[in-house]
Amino acid sequence: GESVGLHLPTLSVQEGDNSIINCAYSNSASDYFIWYKQESGKGPQFIIDIRSNMDKRQGQRVTVLLNKTVKHLSLQIAATQPGDSAVYFCAEESGGGADGLTFGKGTHLIIQP
Amino acid sequence: SQTIHQWPATLVQPVGSPLSLECTVEGTSNPNLYWYRQAAGRGLQLLFYSVGIGQISSEVPQNLSASRPQDRQFILSSKKLLLSDSGFYLCAWAGTRSGNTIYFGEGSWLTVV
Repeated sequence: GESVGLHLPTLSVQEGDNSIINCAYSNSASDYFIWYKQESGKGPQFIIDIRSNMDKRQGQRVTVLLNKTVKHLSLQIAATQPGDSAVYFCAEESGGGADGLTFGKGTHLIIQP
Repeated sequence: SQTIHQWPATLVQPVGSPLSLECTVEGTSNPNLYWYRQAAGRGLQLLFYSVGIGQISSEVPQNLSASRPQDRQFILSSKKLLLSDSGFYLCAWAGTRSGNTIYFGEGSWLTVV
């Protein structure tokens, strides 16, 4: 079936550098996308979302880019900090069904000191 | 503001014993409620969702069950646990309109021994 996936399972960056986490989705009907951050032993936390009528959205130190042509979603984190170390999931919603979101497997972001 | 609580946070149960995980949401009414399971290093698997009291949809066949006795209460149960039931269980809620973010609880670690 259609699913959301991630290009890299682990990403290691130096503290202070920018990081980019990528996500590919296959359902062209998806119209809402979310990035979550999950720290070890905790539930996923909402970071930022974007709807399909947008191609970019910025938050505090984070930017989400959506390329519907190639069905690609990315999360950019500026000036990474040790607290950014976590697993990041992308998720998509299509059709507005009550069964919620489809999640990718996650990328583990490691911040090197 | 809305909050979600689930408990217990951790538990170790013998094979064949029953299970009851509870989840409550505050600050909203008539939410969609969800139970997800996350195996170690894996993505999120939707187990059950509910759009209202007494309304449960199951996404995967298994020896688990869910119930929603009250609007903001969601319970995950099992009569007899299997070793394969071990994992990290997450309760979540969302608004009922499409394009709503799903918000997660802190999770419950279940180890079946």
